[in-house]
Amino acid sequence: AQKITQTQPGMFVQEKEAVTLDCTYDTSDPSYGLFWYKQPSSGEMIFLIYQGSYDQQNATEGRYSLNFQKARKSANLVISASQLGDSAMYFCAMREDSGNTPLVFGKGTRLSVIA
Amino acid sequence: EPEVTQTPSHQVTQMGQEVILRCVPISNHLYFYWYRQILGQKVEFLVSFYNNEISEKSEIFDDQFSVERPDGSNFTLKIRSTKLEDSAMYFCASSEGTGDEKLFFGSGTQLSVL
Repeated sequence: AQKITQTQPGMFVQEKEAVTLDCTYDTSDPSYGLFWYKQPSSGEMIFLIYQGSYDQQNATEGRYSLNFQKARKSANLVISASQLGDSAMYFCAMREDSGNTPLVFGKGTRLSVIA
Repeated sequence: EPEVTQTPSHQVTQMGQEVILRCVPISNHLYFYWYRQILGQKVEFLVSFYNNEISEKSEIFDDQFSVERPDGSNFTLKIRSTKLEDSAMYFCASSEGTGDEKLFFGSGTQLSVL
């Protein structure tokens, strides 16, 4: 069964607008971590933001914020004030058990920022 | 800012040949990983490594694959006899392993098996 589901294969956003990339996850473990990574066309995987399952506040890192809704098992990424350089693939990932278990990735969402 | 470095960035090899992909994890990190991404597909876990031994591996990581930490800084992935389907981007990652679960990835090695 899919542990990480990203339902949007592609998204478009106007420059300077905000965009939300969806991610839902499936786990029975009470302790887990949620991650978002950006993969530009050059191929590298860039860590963006992390949310622990016990964190009370939604994570924020600059223009990135994570809308964590635990009961709904969703961890959507919000990018504010989109820039042309935000055009990339975005992967949601989860790690269970608070330990160093493998990171499991979703299929990704391709974001295109339009001028 | 410390980063995970991978060499080479591109590797082309003939089917049946051995390849070694190299990684230098972040220096104070204790856990090391290899992932791969076949073109257009999602990133898949291969293996994790801690305290000089494999801690977990996926079904993909069969007998053709091996990992090694030959010295205090390098972490290598060896594919003994490459197959066409091994063509992928291979990512090395590391994490502190002290309750900080964030994984930091290298820039990847694009392996092409001809």
